[in-house]
Amino acid sequence: QVQLQESGPGLVKPSQTLSLTCTVSGGSISSGGYYWSWIRQHPGKGLEWIGYIYYSGSTYYNPSLKSRVTISVDTSKNQFSLKLSSVTAADTAVYYCARDRIDEGYFDYWGQGTLVTVSS
Amino acid sequence: SSELTQDPAVSVALGQTVRITCQGDSLRSYYASWYQQKPGQAPVLVIYGKNNRPSGIPDRFSGSSSGNTASLTITGAQAEDEADYYCNSRDSSGNLVVFGGGTKLTVL
Repeated sequence: QVQLQESGPGLVKPSQTLSLTCTVSGGSISSGGYYWSWIRQHPGKGLEWIGYIYYSGSTYYNPSLKSRVTISVDTSKNQFSLKLSSVTAADTAVYYCARDRIDEGYFDYWGQGTLVTVSS
Repeated sequence: SSELTQDPAVSVALGQTVRITCQGDSLRSYYASWYQQKPGQAPVLVIYGKNNRPSGIPDRFSGSSSGNTASLTITGAQAEDEADYYCNSRDSSGNLVVFGGGTKLTVL
């Protein structure tokens, strides 16, 4: 059973960089066939895809966030990470990591989510 | 803004059938996937591909697609089906991911 777990600070100051890590267990990031995604949900709102990474390091980002987002992968630790720079209160959200099946484009496993609040 | 459009809210009487729809140009090329999200929980995949259910999802959930519209049907809705439902697919380029705005399902 694949499991994903987000970790990182729950509070980030405005203008700083939000950093989160997703640790994958029960399966290898390097096995291929999947993208590894970050998705967020503003309080009381819908889901917003941030971007994904393949184990080789190839990335795609949401155009609306592309200038501030970096997603990286560490296959030796079976982890992938999100960095979102120059955050504002509008970046306050629950952040999820999820596994995306490449051939059919669905998210079959999700982390529990972590709330990140941007506030001074 | 989302490139997939969902009705914000739908209601259904207990035991009746309800259809939740998702519209978008990308659905002419890609299947929609559907997720159920209950308050305080992560989304759960309920339908993917042409009409596939992950293990553990009741068979009252089904999916279909026609043209630019995908549908999630719950046949014999139960109280525990009350939740937010989201669709997603690849975008028209095939490289990015798009979500619908979500539909809040109320079971009366």
